[in-house]
Amino acid sequence: QITLKESGPTLVKPTQTLTLTCTFSEFSLSTSGVGVGWIRQPPGKALEWLALIYWNDDKRYSPSLKSRLTITKDTSKNQVVLTMTNMDPVDTATYYCALIAGGVVTNSWGQGTLVTVSS
Amino acid sequence: EIVLTQSPATLSLSPGEGATLSCRASQSVSSYLAWYQQKPGQAPRLLIYDASNRATGIPARFSGSGSGTDFTLTISSLEPEDFAVYYCQQRSNWPWTFGQGTKVEIK
Repeated sequence: QITLKESGPTLVKPTQTLTLTCTFSEFSLSTSGVGVGWIRQPPGKALEWLALIYWNDDKRYSPSLKSRLTITKDTSKNQVVLTMTNMDPVDTATYYCALIAGGVVTNSWGQGTLVTVSS
Repeated sequence: EIVLTQSPATLSLSPGEGATLSCRASQSVSSYLAWYQQKPGQAPRLLIYDASNRATGIPARFSGSGSGTDFTLTISSLEPEDFAVYYCQQRSNWPWTFGQGTKVEIK
């Protein structure tokens, strides 16, 4: 059974850098066509794509957040890491990672992790 | 960036009734449109991908149609567990984008 799980701090201060890790099992990020994406959802609001990374290290970033985001993968550890710099209270959201296969977002998502930005 | 506009924002219906949800794209997304269901405190659940393909394990009462800029999610007869928020999402152009959601609530 494919699983993904997000981990990282639940509280960060404004201007700090957020580092989130997506740890997954039962698939490999070295398999052709496979990718992992990050999506966030502020409380009571809609979903927003942040970034994704593919098996061949092709990376995509949300244009509005591109200067603040970095996505990397560690195939040996089955992990994808997202860093977001200069955090602001408006970045308070639940952050999800999800499996992409053949260009399609699958039904395999992490449970999400709520990150609050506050001093 | 492709903007997806969902309508209506809220749909008030009774169990057993049918539901029709709309998603309109600001430019053509071909058939690269998906529908998700989300319940409070849960991750989104994929219902439909590429406009009309049901995801694994999704009941037949859910169906999707459309292409280009206009798409529809139809729930033929609402079950109690179907009351939730529904999002459409396009993967035609990066950045992939979601609509603002339609809440299906119990009347």
